[in-house]
Amino acid sequence: GENVEQHPSTLSVQEGDSAVIKCTYSDSASNYFPWYKQELGKGPQLIIDIRSNVGEKKDQRIAVTLNKTAKHFSLHITETQPEDSAVYFCAPRGFQKLVFGTGTRLLVSP
Amino acid sequence: NAGVTQTPKFQVLKTGQSMTLQCAQDMNHEYMSWYRQDPGMGLRLIHYSVGAGITDQGEVPNGYNVSRSTTEDFPLRLLSAAPSQTSVYFCASSYSIARTEAFFGQGTRLTVV
Repeated sequence: GENVEQHPSTLSVQEGDSAVIKCTYSDSASNYFPWYKQELGKGPQLIIDIRSNVGEKKDQRIAVTLNKTAKHFSLHITETQPEDSAVYFCAPRGFQKLVFGTGTRLLVSP
Repeated sequence: NAGVTQTPKFQVLKTGQSMTLQCAQDMNHEYMSWYRQDPGMGLRLIHYSVGAGITDQGEVPNGYNVSRSTTEDFPLRLLSAAPSQTSVYFCASSYSIARTEAFFGQGTRLTVV
């Protein structure tokens, strides 16, 4: 965790396109790499996570890839749908306080 | 299961007033934390707790106090409200400090006038 950045801060795609959000972190002790989705007026909710002994994990249209050497991991959403429109946060974690990335606003246009 | 419950959902305060935002979880989670989220911004950590009787500061602790007398409850106190504290506040909990999913409450929208 500690210094956590996300790119891009805003992402606009057409329905059916793919979206990729990247998260970089500074703490080499991080070993848990989740992504959260926050819909309007709600609290964030976990959508996918990966642990440091795995390089990639997939769950239907979403996937997370991890490059621990370079200290970054990415969220991939394929075949985007309007209901994917939300703010996405990463929160890499080791044995310390829970700090979130800067957030990415994804807008999927029909 | 109720999960993480925050009360109230909305609150308007006058400058200088004090109040307590309540947070309770029924999952026997050790780790709890408070965040504020300003418009168009991310989640900034205010205070956190790794267990009953243990609290620590996050990124933006000034103007807020917390205590953790039980595993279930983690109230956030605003000592003397200021307009700069107008924000949406989220409480979160997780099983432990390490490598586990965080569960969030629905948030408290606070306006200080």
